[in-house]
This record gives sequence, structure tokens and C-alpha cells, in this order.
Amino acid sequence: DIQMTQSPSAMSASVGDRVTITCRASQGISNYLAWFQQKPGKVPKRLIYAASSLQSGVPSRFSGSGSGTEFTLTINSLQPEDFATYYCVQHNSYPRTFGQGTKVEIK
Amino acid sequence: EVQLVDSGGGLVQPGGSLRLSCAASGYTFTNYAMSWVRQAPGKGLEWVSGISGSADSTYYADSVKGRFTISSDSSKNTVYLQMNSLRAEDTALYYCARDKIWGPNDAFDIWGQGTVVTVSS
Repeated sequence: DIQMTQSPSAMSASVGDRVTITCRASQGISNYLAWFQQKPGKVPKRLIYAASSLQSGVPSRFSGSGSGTEFTLTINSLQPEDFATYYCVQHNSYPRTFGQGTKVEIK
Repeated sequence: EVQLVDSGGGLVQPGGSLRLSCAASGYTFTNYAMSWVRQAPGKGLEWVSGISGSADSTYYADSVKGRFTISSDSSKNTVYLQMNSLRAEDTALYYCARDKIWGPNDAFDIWGQGTVVTVSS
């Protein structure tokens, strides 16, 4: 099974900050990786697919990069509505595996 | 509009059974796989099970293998998750999510609203 190691697990940031979240796969997954945002009581929302493609309707301050085993989600100029928990998931093979999540809190 | 509606959750005693349903609409059902993902209270997302669009392949997390069975009915555009021998640790919000076996673009793009399963005596 492929393990996804997401870091950090939590972070404090201020409005306007640049935030970087990383997911590392235990083996190569090409670009079969997606990033999600989840707010309390809400359904996860896909932000990035194919590692670096921006989901339609998602603000351009969100970006993804990486291929193989190391992936990054970047939020440029953090906005108040971006405080949430973020997850990665690999869908290169079964079982699918999610990262542990990163909670982005207000500093 | 592409939509998934999941249902069937409820309160069940340990050792009991429950069947979840996920009704899909707005797209060609057999062109996509489907996954079930759960989230225990205050915890992260956990993939539980998946099925191919043609229903000829099924997949399970180790934590549910032998207890849960995924199936689909293409005449009803519906995926099911039969959950047997339920345990307290199966308590969670269960989501169905559209998946794709081949290609990096379409996996987990659409989610149901979730259905709550509570296992307690």
C-alpha cells in the first residue's frame, strides 16, 4: 500500500501569508494526486487535480506542484476564508490513501 | 447537474448491519468508478472501499475487509455499501465520491453530502 505523509499537521498563519503544505508518497504515483479543502461540517472540496491543475472556480492563489513522490500545495496571500483543513489523496492505485490533514489556523 | 446523494446511515448496535446507498445522476454511471470515504468525529478522511464503473472490480481498506461489501446497480445508477459486523470504530460520516481508475483528472471531483453511521449500544 502507498503511504501518504502530509506535513505539517497544523500551522498558524496570518492573512496575506504564503502557506506551503507537503505530501510525500512512499512510492511513485506520477501525478495521480489531488488536494482538498474541508471546512467544519462541510463536504471536502477539490482544489487541485493531477497534482498541478486548478479546479474550475478555485481562486488562482491556490497552486499545486510535484510529481512522483513529492507534492506541494501553495496558498499565496492567505485569505480569511482559507482557514480550513487541507488533505491530499493519491489515486494511482488501490487502496486510495489520504494524507493526515493540515489544519491552517489564524495566528 | 452531476450529483451524488448518499443515504442509509443510522444508529446500530455493535455487531449489527447497515446498508448505505449512493445515487448518482447527471453523468454516464458506468464511465466512472466510485469510492466510499469516511470521517470519524474530529478525525481525518479515510478511504474505505471502491468499485469500478463496470462493477467487475472491488477494493477495500484492510480495516473493513471481510466485513463490508461494495456493489452497484447500473440500472439504478446506485452504489451500495453493505456493512456487517459493525464496530464502535466504524462510527463516522460516510461519503461516496466519484472516482476514476485510469487518468489523473477525474478522481474525487464529486462528493455526496454524507450519511452518519453511529455504532453504539
